[in-house]
Amino acid sequence: QIVLTQSPAIMSASPGEKVTMTCSASSSVSYMHWYQQKSGTSPKRWIYDTSKLASGVPARFSGSGSGTSYSLTISSMEAEDAATYYCQQWSSNPPTFGGGTKLEIK
Amino acid sequence: QVQLKQSGPGLVQPSQSLSITCTVSGFSLTSYGVHWVRQSPGKGLEWLGVIWSGGSTDYNAAFISRLSISKDNSKSQVFFKMNSLQANDTAIYYCARNGGRSDFDYWGQGTTLTVSS
Repeated sequence: QIVLTQSPAIMSASPGEKVTMTCSASSSVSYMHWYQQKSGTSPKRWIYDTSKLASGVPARFSGSGSGTSYSLTISSMEAEDAATYYCQQWSSNPPTFGGGTKLEIK
Repeated sequence: QVQLKQSGPGLVQPSQSLSITCTVSGFSLTSYGVHWVRQSPGKGLEWLGVIWSGGSTDYNAAFISRLSISKDNSKSQVFFKMNSLQANDTAIYYCARNGGRSDFDYWGQGTTLTVSS
């Protein structure tokens, strides 16, 4: 199965700071999807098909990448963005998730 | 609006089975597949299986021998059953709707399962 490695595992950012987190795949994938999860809640679809924002997701979020390297970027960190972000692929079976990047606010 | 609501027990003894019902609203099971995903501190998010709109199923090979997913379209319910539970099956179990291409666009609230005697 394809292994997704997210880095960093934990990071913190100040309000207004640009944030970038990455997801590396053990084999090439066609698309990468991202979920946001806050403590005690279910994951939420956040970015799908590598770069499309889910409904209601602020425009300060963006996704990019291809092959084995993908990233999620926040142009200007806000307090509400503090959460854990997971990447996910389904280019080959089974679908797999990364271990997550926990983003904290400074 | 799209909703997935889960019901099921929170505590199961080792070697017993887990049954969870996912009741959906805002969409038809004849049009969308529903997946099952679990989350544990040790293994993170794991995809377990899916029942497609036509009724066929796909399972993660690691669980295929003890997993069953079925549905009742008329009741908008999806049924999840996992047998021979052990302590390492302790996790939060989610149902989630199949997204447009290959992701999960709406998730249930989760069922927290503890396997313990």
